[in-house]
Amino acid sequence: SQKIEQNSEALNIQEGKTATLTCNYTNYSPAYLQWYRQDPGRGPVFLLLIRENEKEKRKERLKVTFDTTLKQSLFHITASQPADSATYLCALRPNSGNTPLVFGKGTRLSVIA
Amino acid sequence: DAGITQSPRHKVTETGTPVTLRCHQTENHRYMYWYRQDPGHGLRLIHYSYGVKDTDKGEVSDGYSVSRSKTEDFLLTLESATSSQTSVYFCAISESSGSDNGYTFGSGTRLTVV
Repeated sequence: SQKIEQNSEALNIQEGKTATLTCNYTNYSPAYLQWYRQDPGRGPVFLLLIRENEKEKRKERLKVTFDTTLKQSLFHITASQPADSATYLCALRPNSGNTPLVFGKGTRLSVIA
Repeated sequence: DAGITQSPRHKVTETGTPVTLRCHQTENHRYMYWYRQDPGHGLRLIHYSYGVKDTDKGEVSDGYSVSRSKTEDFLLTLESATSSQTSVYFCAISESSGSDNGYTFGSGTRLTVV
């Protein structure tokens, strides 16, 4: 069966350290992966997109990697801050027609001062 | 969120009653989506639309119907609400099916079926 999994339900990290979140998928051939941030009581907000032919993408303190052999994307936040505390969702776009995004369950990140 | 509004924000309804949730956008985007978010399940697609009067089912479409008579409005109807439909419902929009800018989500509707 097809699955998209974010391995950690919750991750605690000390301020200033690099947070690394994992997204794995099974039986998909994604055209691309996206990462979203969701704060309590709010809708998800788009952060980054990485395509199947890209290895790495950066935006300010954020870095995303995409390994189609391992079927995995890693999401890094460097020099993490308490304001980075949120739930982070990965989503993939199956490589078939106009199929909408499929989302993982999310990882709740807490950055401790 | 800017350009997309969901109403109502909260609703409590009784089992067996019909309920309609509204999503309104001012971005003139072609694609609109309804997801539900539940603990332990994440976001799951209910229905989506790729144009006026063009809709398709998602992963969890049973018990739901949608309509899109105008570009800016996408309605989600629970035909006869059940307790299992208690959830947070999110509408999202995108310019195209493969948008580099991702989806823009509304703030959600918290629905409780008692």
